[in-house]
Amino acid sequence: DGGITQSPKYLFRKEGQNVTLSCEQNLNHDAMYWYRQDPGQGLRLIYYSQIVNDFQKGDIAEGYSVSREKKESFPLTVTSAQKNPTAFYLCARLPTASSRTQYFGPGTRLLVL
Amino acid sequence: QQQVKQSPQSLIVQKGGISIINCAYENTAFDYFPWYQQFPGKGPALLIAIRPDVSEKKEGRFTISFNKSAKQFSLHIMDSQPGDSATYFCAASIRGNTPLVFGKGTRLSVIA
Repeated sequence: DGGITQSPKYLFRKEGQNVTLSCEQNLNHDAMYWYRQDPGQGLRLIYYSQIVNDFQKGDIAEGYSVSREKKESFPLTVTSAQKNPTAFYLCARLPTASSRTQYFGPGTRLLVL
Repeated sequence: QQQVKQSPQSLIVQKGGISIINCAYENTAFDYFPWYQQFPGKGPALLIAIRPDVSEKKEGRFTISFNKSAKQFSLHIMDSQPGDSATYFCAASIRGNTPLVFGKGTRLSVIA
């Protein structure tokens, strides 16, 4: 799975609840990314981080938050402000600064109860 | 503003036929153009990629054709097989660790 571990595979959120999606890599890579996938919409960038303790907003960051306290972990929190959270969430890594290929994890499907 | 436009949205091809998916981009600063393949419930995986200094790249049954002046690139799958049925995404990025920008995807079905 591209050297990325994402958990859980399925996650359920109740109205008004924050949920956190896990993304872990043990390859000592600096750059990590979160994408959201909806049918017919492709992959849209939520947040990315190129170094520990630093991250940038992507195209659809509203209603989401991230942290990057250590290199191997880049968790994504879907807050209650995200009104349409049902989607497939994908985490990716970039091996080196000179590499151009992003490797994706297996994804987490978030469903709203 | 969609930076990478992909077509068609869906494609049905007979087994043994050629599948062709097209992408067009707007930003001339893009210098890396990968194609990803995604099976249902899985993350996308890199299929093949090209840089703008070449017009064509072939890996097995998969070929990327690149037209820099037209700002277009395409994926050709020769001798398409049912196992090729998946969603294909084109993407582009700018040098320097920048995130990939993806097209909206093409759902390919190869029927026997």
